Amino acid sequence: QLQLQESGPGLVKPSETLSLTCTVVGGSIVTDDHYWDWIRQPPGKGLEWVGSVYYDGDSYYSLSLKGRLTLSADRTWNQFSLSLTSVTAADTAVYFCARRGRGNVLQGSNGFDVWGQGTRVTVSP
Amino acid sequence: SYVLTQPPSVSVAPGETARITCWGDNIGTKSVHWYQQRPGQAPVLVIYFNSDRPSGISERFSGSNSGNMATLTISRVEAGDEADYYCQVWDKAPDQHVFGSGTKVTAL
Repeated sequence: QLQLQESGPGLVKPSETLSLTCTVVGGSIVTDDHYWDWIRQPPGKGLEWVGSVYYDGDSYYSLSLKGRLTLSADRTWNQFSLSLTSVTAADTAVYFCARRGRGNVLQGSNGFDVWGQGTRVTVSP
Repeated sequence: SYVLTQPPSVSVAPGETARITCWGDNIGTKSVHWYQQRPGQAPVLVIYFNSDRPSGISERFSGSNSGNMATLTISRVEAGDEADYYCQVWDKAPDQHVFGSGTKVTAL
């Protein structure tokens, strides 16, 4: 059974770079049928999509984070990663990694069907 | 950017039916996915492509989508259904995934 596991520091200072990794267990990130995504949830608030990466490195980002965000995929380690620069308190959130089906031309993109348990990141001096 | 609007809360007596709405401009032309999130846990996909259920999800969960509104219906509500529910769509242009604001379901 596929499982996702986020890892990274729980505390980041303002203006620094947040780096997180999601390790895929029980399956491979090299799949034509799936994208690998990040979603975050600020304390007490709703879900916010962050961005998507394909196993070959093709990626696209939330317009609200574009310019600060880089996503990458590592086939060797079966992982994908997030790097968010110049963080502020507004980036404090639980960060989830998730798998999403590519869907099809008629119906569009599929939903996020496998999620990690989430990792809490606080931006504070 | 595309906006999805959900009621903040829905309350229903156990055994009754809960209907959670998700409003968006011409949402009926998009595919809607629904998630259940219990406190302190990761979301779980309960409906995809408007009305399909993943394996392992109770048949008490169903979905529909037409016009400007999508609906998640939970039949015969149980205490274990208490959670936050989010709708989500893919906005083709500009290639963004959008979540609704979330609805807290309470079994009275």
